[in-house]
Amino acid sequence: GDSVTQMEGPVTLSEEAFLTINCTYTATGYPSLFWYVQYPGEGLQLLLKATKADDKGSNKGFEATYRKETTSFHLEKGSVQVSDSAVYFCALSDRPNGGSQGNLIFGKGTKLSVKP
Amino acid sequence: NAGVTQTPKFRILKIGQSMTLQCTQDMNHNYMYWYRQDPGMGLKLIYYSVGAGITDKGEVPNGYNVSRSTTEDFPLRLELAAPSQTSVYFCASSYSVYSPSGNTIYFGEGSWLTVV
Repeated sequence: GDSVTQMEGPVTLSEEAFLTINCTYTATGYPSLFWYVQYPGEGLQLLLKATKADDKGSNKGFEATYRKETTSFHLEKGSVQVSDSAVYFCALSDRPNGGSQGNLIFGKGTKLSVKP
Repeated sequence: NAGVTQTPKFRILKIGQSMTLQCTQDMNHNYMYWYRQDPGMGLKLIYYSVGAGITDKGEVPNGYNVSRSTTEDFPLRLELAAPSQTSVYFCASSYSVYSPSGNTIYFGEGSWLTVV
């Protein structure tokens, strides 16, 4: 079945460092891909998404490119801030255009801690 | 701008007790979901609903029950609480699969449940 694998955490960085969180997926068909962020004590929030190959999702300085050839959707940010400390989840939906019938499949999450 | 609201935020249950987690959304979404998040893991789908009067099982439905009598509300019931149900529960909602811009799933802030 479909699955998402993301790098194990925790990841600890200094402020202004470059961030990469790797995410690869296995899916039949053409999934839509998402990054969700969970700040301490809060629910998940959509960070960015891409619905087809070569799309780049971006938000709040984060970006990720849908790479079909490598089945990857790595999250990057050029300069992280303390406020970026959170858990980041990669997810896929196997419905066209990110359509959902409860079939968002999540990775296990990567905890990011940014030190001042 | 309430979005998805779930209650209670924290609850401790004894083994064998029953309780209902409430969830309501004010975005007129027809899709609603319940997920659970175990420590260090991604989210697993418990149940979902594509509209009032329609519910279906997700990946981990055992020990839970749901109903969807209105578009706004999607309560999750635990009938005989077990320690294995200690988890964080997230309610979520989205538009239908036919949204041309793709779906974003909106999450509530989570309910922390401990069964002792």
